[in-house]
Amino acid sequence: DTGVSQDPRHKITKRGQNVTFRCDPISEHNRLYWYRQTLGQGPEFLTYFQNEAQLEKSRLLSDRFSAERPKGSFSTLEIQRTEQGDSAMYLCASSLDRGRSIYFGEGSWLTVV
Amino acid sequence: GENVEQHPSTLSVQEGDSAVIKCTYSDSASNYFPWYKQELGKRPQLIIDIRSNVGEKKDQRIAVTLNKTAKHFSLHITETQPEDSAVYFCAAYGGSEKLVFGKGMKLTVNP
Repeated sequence: DTGVSQDPRHKITKRGQNVTFRCDPISEHNRLYWYRQTLGQGPEFLTYFQNEAQLEKSRLLSDRFSAERPKGSFSTLEIQRTEQGDSAMYLCASSLDRGRSIYFGEGSWLTVV
Repeated sequence: GENVEQHPSTLSVQEGDSAVIKCTYSDSASNYFPWYKQELGKRPQLIIDIRSNVGEKKDQRIAVTLNKTAKHFSLHITETQPEDSAVYFCAAYGGSEKLVFGKGMKLTVNP
């Protein structure tokens, strides 16, 4: 069983640096979601894709954040000019289609120092 | 947009007792309600879900109920075990086509 996989699992970066996270969804899942979670909070929606099309972006996603899903397979989330407030766990999730069960990856922990 | 409220925020029970977590939602268009269990440092794990065309669903020791009129849904865990200790999140999915989560409830099961 190949669940949602994310890489890297942990990233420590200096403020101002760029970071990129990768997500490989469950095979044949058309929908891919990015969420952000901080300690003691529930996951917060960032953006989602239907195949390669990015359908919605949260207001939380400033212009320093960009996400792509070329060819409708894996996705990348890039954060430019990182700030300490970006420190969080970035979760990727996928589902077969709209309204179907959504499964999360193990997350990518980002620490900005 | 959708707003999901979850309570209580913490719950401590003795092993073998039952635990109930309650959530309310605001968007009447929401039609899918999953529950996730998250252990420290781990992924949110889907444990059970319910759709708006059913009122109750059970899977072994866990059950979910949904009251569409009142816009609330609940998770019931019976015969709790120490390994049930975790943070539990409710979520709602509907017209916005994304999951909106509650703030979570930390469950502690004392042996």
